[in-house]
Amino acid sequence: DIVMTQSPDSLAVSLGERATINCKSSQSVLKNSDNNNYLAWYQQKPGQPPKMLIFWASTRQSGVPDRFSGSGSGTDFTLTISSLQAEDVAVYYCQQYYSAPITFGQGTRLEIK
Amino acid sequence: EVQMVESGGGLVQPGGSLRLSCAVSGPTFSSYWMNWVRQAPGKGLEWVANINGDGSEKYYVDSVKGRLTISRDNAENSVYLQMNSLRVEDAAVYYCVGGRGWKLDLWGRGTLVTVSS
Repeated sequence: DIVMTQSPDSLAVSLGERATINCKSSQSVLKNSDNNNYLAWYQQKPGQPPKMLIFWASTRQSGVPDRFSGSGSGTDFTLTISSLQAEDVAVYYCQQYYSAPITFGQGTRLEIK
Repeated sequence: EVQMVESGGGLVQPGGSLRLSCAVSGPTFSSYWMNWVRQAPGKGLEWVANINGDGSEKYYVDSVKGRLTISRDNAENSVYLQMNSLRVEDAAVYYCVGGRGWKLDLWGRGTLVTVSS
């Protein structure tokens, strides 16, 4: 199984400042056949189901604000929120869909400082 | 807009059974991989199982193999999770999730399964 490890577990950032969440996979999720990283990011607000933000490591889902961006390749990935807004308070998860079983990181709780 | 609506959750004793259902609106149901993802209270996300568009491929997390079974009925636009030999550690909100490939694009609001004597 591919183990996904996020850092930090929790993060407090001031409004308007940059937030960065890291995700590391125990093996590469880059598929050579199509040169895609099988890595997605999700946002979960309290009392709501998760919402996909980013897929293929860096492609924003339709309707997701452009302050959210994803980067990285192979085993190391980053979700960046360029200018934190109050509505971004949530738990963020990375997920690999390279191989079964699909696995998630443990989550990073993002709060306002 | 495609929507997923789960049902069938509830309280069950350890060793008991439940069948979760997920009704999917929209004309393209048979093109989606369908998944069940669970979340224990206050915990993170755990993928449970998925099934491809025609039901010919199924995958499970090891902890549920032999006890939980995913299936689908494309004529009814529905996906199911038959849960047998339930354990305390199976207690969670179970989300029905659809996607193109294994990306988890479309989430239901979940149904709560409680396993307790």
